Amino acid sequence: DGGITQSPKYLFRKEGQNVTLSCEQNLNHDAMYWYRQDPGQGLRLIYYSQIVNDFQKGDIAEGYSVSREKKESFPLTVTSAQKNPTAFYLCASSIGNRGWETQYFGPGTRLLVL
Amino acid sequence: ELKVEQNPLFLSMQEGKNYTIYCNYSTTSDRLYWYRQDPGKSLESLFVLLSNGAVKQEGRLMASLDTKARLSTLHITAAVHDLSATYFCAVDIGYGNKLVFGAGTILRVKS
Repeated sequence: DGGITQSPKYLFRKEGQNVTLSCEQNLNHDAMYWYRQDPGQGLRLIYYSQIVNDFQKGDIAEGYSVSREKKESFPLTVTSAQKNPTAFYLCASSIGNRGWETQYFGPGTRLLVL
Repeated sequence: ELKVEQNPLFLSMQEGKNYTIYCNYSTTSDRLYWYRQDPGKSLESLFVLLSNGAVKQEGRLMASLDTKARLSTLHITAAVHDLSATYFCAVDIGYGNKLVFGAGTILRVKS
């Protein structure tokens, strides 16, 4: 089955710790995205990547970092610089930059601060 | 900066009734998406609207797009309990298929 997987489902972060959220897709999509969702709010774009080895900041990139070394993988690191990391993180992918493709979402990772 | 506003933000309705959710956006775009989210779950794509006047229907849901008015609507016909969810609209602002999401409309259908 084609799809997007995210792991872990729940993640706990201690103060000052960096944590990495995994996102893998087997849809052969070129574009991948990371969003943050806070309770009762819409999604906000953190980072996106249109092609391997290239990525751009979204609206709320501060305190986060990403890499795109493989087409199928787009991990997100929440650094200690992100002072309010508690949120639901969603990874998405789409075919590529045609400007009209649907983004397909993974199941999400819920990050909590200890 | 593109703003996307949905209203209402919360909607409680009786089964069998009709209602419309509105999505207004502040800058030119002719690509708009509707998603559904169940509590604690991910987003599921409902509709992709790609031009002025586009109308899509699936079951009891119908979405439309008026790019001149910068308005999309999601119409619910004869609501059933299974439609209870949060509905998001998202507007494509151009290069990179970047989406800006509305805050979402929480729909509760009561028996």
